[in-house]
Amino acid sequence: QKEVEQNSGPLSVPEGAIASLNCTYSDRGSQSFFWYRQYSGKSPELIMFIYSNGDKEDGRFTAQLNKASQYVSLLIRDSQPSDSATYLCAVNKAGGGNKLTFGTGTQLKVEL
Amino acid sequence: DGGITQSPKYLFRKEGQNVTLSCEQNLNHDAMYWYRQDPGQGLRLIYYSQIVNDFQKGDIAEGYSVSREKKESFPLTVTSAQKNPTAFYLCASSTGDRVQETQYFGPGTRLLVL
Repeated sequence: QKEVEQNSGPLSVPEGAIASLNCTYSDRGSQSFFWYRQYSGKSPELIMFIYSNGDKEDGRFTAQLNKASQYVSLLIRDSQPSDSATYLCAVNKAGGGNKLTFGTGTQLKVEL
Repeated sequence: DGGITQSPKYLFRKEGQNVTLSCEQNLNHDAMYWYRQDPGQGLRLIYYSQIVNDFQKGDIAEGYSVSREKKESFPLTVTSAQKNPTAFYLCASSTGDRVQETQYFGPGTRLLVL
C-alpha cells in the first residue's frame, strides 16, 4: 500500500463545475495535510493546508479532512480553465517533523 | 523580492561527472529540503536540513550529497554514483521543521544525462 494515494486521472470537468480531488494516506499518526498545484514543467505551489478534521475554505477551494477514514479531499468550485493542472497531496510523516510524503498527483482538466 | 532561487534551470551531465545544483533562499527559513520528481511521479525526499551545519538523509539519498554552510544556501551534488539522475530537482524551505509548517518550492532544475 502506498503511503499517500491519489487517482492519477485525468479528471475532466466542465467550466463552472465543482472538481473533487481525493487522497488517502496510510499513516494514522499524520497530523498535517497539504494540497499543492503543479502546472506542467513548473514547481508545486501551495493551495491549502489542513490540520483538523472537518472543512476549511479559502475562496473557491475547500479542503476536507477525515482522520478516522484517513482521507483528505480538495474541492474546487466554479472550476476555470486556469485550474487545469496536477494537484499533489502531501502528508507529514508521523514522528518525522516536517518531512512530507507526496502522492503522485491527480491531473485536472477543466474544459470549456 | 523574497523567495527561493535555483540554478541552473537546465543542467546536462556527462557520464561519470559530478554536478552541483544551487539553491538559495532569502526568506530567513531555517529548514531546507531537496526533492526529486520523475515523470508521472510524486516528489521524493533526497536530503533535508533543519539548521546550519546539519542535514539528514531522506528516502533516496544514495548517489547524492549536500552541505549547509550558510542558512540561505543548500547545494545538492549529484555524484557519478547516481545511476539514473535524469529528473526534475526541487528545492524547498520552511520556517522550521515543526509538523505544521508549510514548505515553499523554488522553480526547479531539470537534469539531463548526455
